[in-house]
Amino acid sequence: EAQVTQNPRYLITVTGKKLTVTCSQNMNHEYMSWYRQDPGLGLRQIYYSMNVEVTDKGDVPEGYKVSRKEKRNFPLILESPSPNQTSLYFCASSLLGRAQGNTGELFFGEGSRLTVL
Amino acid sequence: KQEVTQIPAALSVPEGENLVLNCSFTDSAIYNLQWFRQDPGKGLTSLLLIQSSQREQTSGRLNASLDKSSGRSTLYIAASQPGDSATYLCAVPETSGSRLTFGEGTQLTVNP
Repeated sequence: EAQVTQNPRYLITVTGKKLTVTCSQNMNHEYMSWYRQDPGLGLRQIYYSMNVEVTDKGDVPEGYKVSRKEKRNFPLILESPSPNQTSLYFCASSLLGRAQGNTGELFFGEGSRLTVL
Repeated sequence: KQEVTQIPAALSVPEGENLVLNCSFTDSAIYNLQWFRQDPGKGLTSLLLIQSSQREQTSGRLNASLDKSSGRSTLYIAASQPGDSATYLCAVPETSGSRLTFGEGTQLTVNP
């Protein structure tokens, strides 16, 4: 079954304790991206990746890191989490069209709800 | 910077009604536009992807149109059902890269 898998789905942590949210897709997609969703602010892009070893900042990259060492995986790293990073996080992936910016149909994971105390 | 606006923010209709959700964007140089559905606490499910060269896409009771020149897209839902209750979002990628901008969504409630 084609899917995007995120782990953990729920996490409560404390300020400053490094954590990683994993994302894996089994569709051989080039494009992967992380979003956070907050009430009243909608979905905002954190980082995205056009392919292995190619990553770029989205709208709200501060406090986050990513890496893309393999095509299927795109982990989100919070080196020193703070309470303002409490949010619902989504990973997504798609094929890429020939032209840069031409992302295909986007497939989302189920989300990871993170609480930072 | 691309800005995406969805109107109305919330909509409540009786079952069986046909309805239209609106999405407008400020930069018309887009490759495509995508409509999603999100159920509470869940991920987003892709409904329709319209390429810039297309004017319409249909899937079942859903029909999405795209007018690039005016910066607008509409999602038409025919014969609405309670199971259609969800938040509907539209999203466009920027041509300068692959940053995606989402609208804030329209929360739809279909009453039996």
